[in-house]
Amino acid sequence: AQSVAQPEDQVNVAEGNPLTVKCTYSVSGNPYLFWYVQYPNRGLQFLLKYITGDNLVKGSYGFEAEFNKSQTSFHLKKPSALVSDSALYFCAVRDTGYSTLTFGKGTMLLVSP
Amino acid sequence: GAVVSQHPSRVICKSGTSVKIECRSLDFQATTMFWYRQFPKKSLMLMATSNEGSKATYEQGVEKDKFLINHASLTLSTLTVTSAHPEDSSFYICSARDSEGPHTQYFGPGTRLTVL
Repeated sequence: AQSVAQPEDQVNVAEGNPLTVKCTYSVSGNPYLFWYVQYPNRGLQFLLKYITGDNLVKGSYGFEAEFNKSQTSFHLKKPSALVSDSALYFCAVRDTGYSTLTFGKGTMLLVSP
Repeated sequence: GAVVSQHPSRVICKSGTSVKIECRSLDFQATTMFWYRQFPKKSLMLMATSNEGSKATYEQGVEKDKFLINHASLTLSTLTVTSAHPEDSSFYICSARDSEGPHTQYFGPGTRLTVL
């Protein structure tokens, strides 16, 4: 089985401050990990993914995520938040033995001016 | 990145009618497409997985006869909501996986269905 947990329903951060959106996963094999962002009434936009290789993955819009196998985590980070980063963020996992993604419940990021 | 389109973006229909939603991969070929349903402020619920040229695989609890899925080509999948009822009102999102790089799923912009 595969599962994803996003422990925070909402994260609040001031513009210019660093942000972290947490994600932990559970798989039986090796994980493929993804972050997506969703703006209101829109589909999901792909931000970044971890398949193999370097644990630090850099993605779109200045976002990055660090794969930590021992902690089974894949937290999303950005050094300096923008108000325009305010959106709903989804972490997703696909075990190597599965064909479908499992999504976390989503974390709403609110960046205040 | 790869682009997935959906049409229409918004549809309002009367109860009992059928609605078709199209999903296209615009700049890549997708052997596998996925249909999701999303309720307000909720995560995505996978409805079905469709592979080009074969029958869709539906998730448990999703009615096959109500949500008809066709994946006739490597760039087009359709979802038809038959005999729609108000409880079918939702945000439907399709997704496609690049057959050349099987790891990343790209998502369409979604279709807002309102059944009166």
